[in-house]
Amino acid sequence: EDQVTQSPEALRLQEGESSSLNCSYTVSGLRGLFWYRQDPGKGPEFLFTLYSAGEEKEKERLKATLTKKESFLHITAPKPEDSATYLCAVQAGGSQGNLIFGKGTKLSVKP
Amino acid sequence: GAVVSQHPSWVICKSGTSVKIECRSLDFQATTMFWYRQFPKQSLMLMATSNEGSKATYEQGVEKDKFLINHASLTLSTLTVTSAHPEDSSFYICSASLAGVVKNEQFFGPGTRLTVL
Repeated sequence: EDQVTQSPEALRLQEGESSSLNCSYTVSGLRGLFWYRQDPGKGPEFLFTLYSAGEEKEKERLKATLTKKESFLHITAPKPEDSATYLCAVQAGGSQGNLIFGKGTKLSVKP
Repeated sequence: GAVVSQHPSWVICKSGTSVKIECRSLDFQATTMFWYRQFPKQSLMLMATSNEGSKATYEQGVEKDKFLINHASLTLSTLTVTSAHPEDSSFYICSASLAGVVKNEQFFGPGTRLTVL
């Protein structure tokens, strides 16, 4: 069964304190792994897509990496505005394109 | 980036009534749209996949007669919750796929908060 597990469930950081969020997955034929940011009461905002092991992508203070079993979202010198829930999702080969989501990591960055 | 809108953003209704939620892709054509549901502190759960001009594909455990999906055009999909009950209260989110243009990416609408009294 395709599955996505994110850890930790919640993470509290001080402003400037770098850290990483983990997304472990099992999927039959990975078509893509996606990272989204979700603010309370809003829809997910697209951040990154990773397609193959070894791939890395960066956007401002965020960097996403991918291995055959997991992905990491590294946050460098976070700011309070980075506070949100970060969702990881996978798209399985042979699917119609639907995403299987993890439960997310709620990140709080204190000034 | 691609923009997806939903209407309404929130709705409160009485038990037994039906509610329609619209999902529109504003600046692109979406051959496939997805409907998700998110309960508090839970992740997004796929309800159904909607392809333009054909019947939706529902996930196991989702009642197709209760959650009616219509994908009438390449920019509009609607979800109708029929005879809504309090347990249907949730955050409903649609997404649209840019498959074929930008590889497999999905862009999400802002969501619709449904409260059934």
